[in-house]
Amino acid sequence: EVQLVESGGGLVKPGGSLRLSCVGSGFTFSSYNMIWVRQAPGKGLEWVSSISSSSSYLYYADSLKGRFTISRDNAKNSLYLQMNSLRAEDTAVYYCAIPYTAGEAFDIWGQGTVVTVSS
Amino acid sequence: DIQMTQSPSSLSASVGDRVTITCRTSQSISNYLNWYQQKPGKAPKLLIYAASTLQNGVPSRFSGSGSGTDFTLTISSLQPEDFATYYCQQSYSISLITFGQGTRLEIK
Repeated sequence: EVQLVESGGGLVKPGGSLRLSCVGSGFTFSSYNMIWVRQAPGKGLEWVSSISSSSSYLYYADSLKGRFTISRDNAKNSLYLQMNSLRAEDTAVYYCAIPYTAGEAFDIWGQGTVVTVSS
Repeated sequence: DIQMTQSPSSLSASVGDRVTITCRTSQSISNYLNWYQQKPGKAPKLLIYAASTLQNGVPSRFSGSGSGTDFTLTISSLQPEDFATYYCQQSYSISLITFGQGTRLEIK
């Protein structure tokens, strides 16, 4: 079964840091570009960051202003999101996803991990 | 940046109704437009990709059309399990992925 499982979410104080992980299984991890998407409570989906299959290309939403870093370790079938200088507005469910069978569309998603930034 | 305008933001309909949701982009994206369904507490589910291709396992009552800047998602006959929030998403470039604002489909 093709699967993505996120972890690493939790409660963090404003200004703090958190590292999210996304582990893939059931597919050749190193063959796929990957993205992080977040969803604030009661809000829509917001793209956060993308990484190419070999980590050659990294892209970020302008709103992040250099606070987040995406990376991956293909040997460990793992995707990461390092989040620094966290703000209340970063509170959200964070999802990872891949375009597995549907061209450039994202058809495999993790279950999400919850990040809460609060004092 | 490619701006996306999805409408309506909410919609009330009855089982059996035909429903159409539209998505307009600020510049041409060819057919790089995808549609997702999301239910509360769940991850998004891909319904339609490349504007009009039905994802495997998705019921045929869902269809997509359009190209360039104007796209539509149609549900031909609403079923109880279709009440959810729907998002369009452009995948013209992995460097800047954007989602529409979402359409909440509610039972009338």
